[in-house]
Amino acid sequence: EAGVAQSPRYKIIEKRQSVAFWCNPISGHATLYWYQQILGQGPKLLIQFQNNGVVDDSQLPKDRFSAERLKGVDSTLKIQPAKLEDSAVYLCASSPEGRANYGYTFGSGTRLTVV
Amino acid sequence: DQQVKQNSPSLSVQEGRISILNCDYTNSMFDYFLWYKKYPAEGPTFLISISSIKDKNEDGRFTVFLNKSAKHLSLHIVPSQPGDSAVYFCAARPDSNTGKLIFGQGTTLQVKP
Repeated sequence: EAGVAQSPRYKIIEKRQSVAFWCNPISGHATLYWYQQILGQGPKLLIQFQNNGVVDDSQLPKDRFSAERLKGVDSTLKIQPAKLEDSAVYLCASSPEGRANYGYTFGSGTRLTVV
Repeated sequence: DQQVKQNSPSLSVQEGRISILNCDYTNSMFDYFLWYKKYPAEGPTFLISISSIKDKNEDGRFTVFLNKSAKHLSLHIVPSQPGDSAVYFCAARPDSNTGKLIFGQGTTLQVKP
């Protein structure tokens, strides 16, 4: 089966600019996650969708970050305006259901550099 | 507040020997623990998991041990192979009703031929 697709792979922007990332999960996977991985740290959950509804967005900085999952398939994550500390790899993952005990599948990520 | 900690940033072992990666956690309510492996420029890939009601789970060369009283888990790789060289993350599930995982900082394993 095809994996989780993300684009772009790399993005460099200046601070205060806006940026958007796209994710296409594995076909049929109801649950989609966006994680932020800052260099030297483990991934941190930003938002979890179940179909097109939000399950958990408690760690999403809502003053600048937004995410949507239209029609319960593809998802976009937006940052506006970007700050230097947003430099990180943004990972999308999906799973057949909301429970993660058997792990879920990550995409290759988008590496964002804010200068 | 780092709930899942991997205190060793790196580990180097000889091919054929055992690799032991360690992870400590603070929240006794975690009900599942997982290990992920990550190669450069790729996303993490799921390796093995263990329920909090078990103390050992084995899958081929990989075994995870859980010591709940010490809030400690470890991943054993026997025998280690050069292809195992990667960053290993341990992760814990705080809520059985969602898919959220809390990750440690990662340990870079280098297996020398």
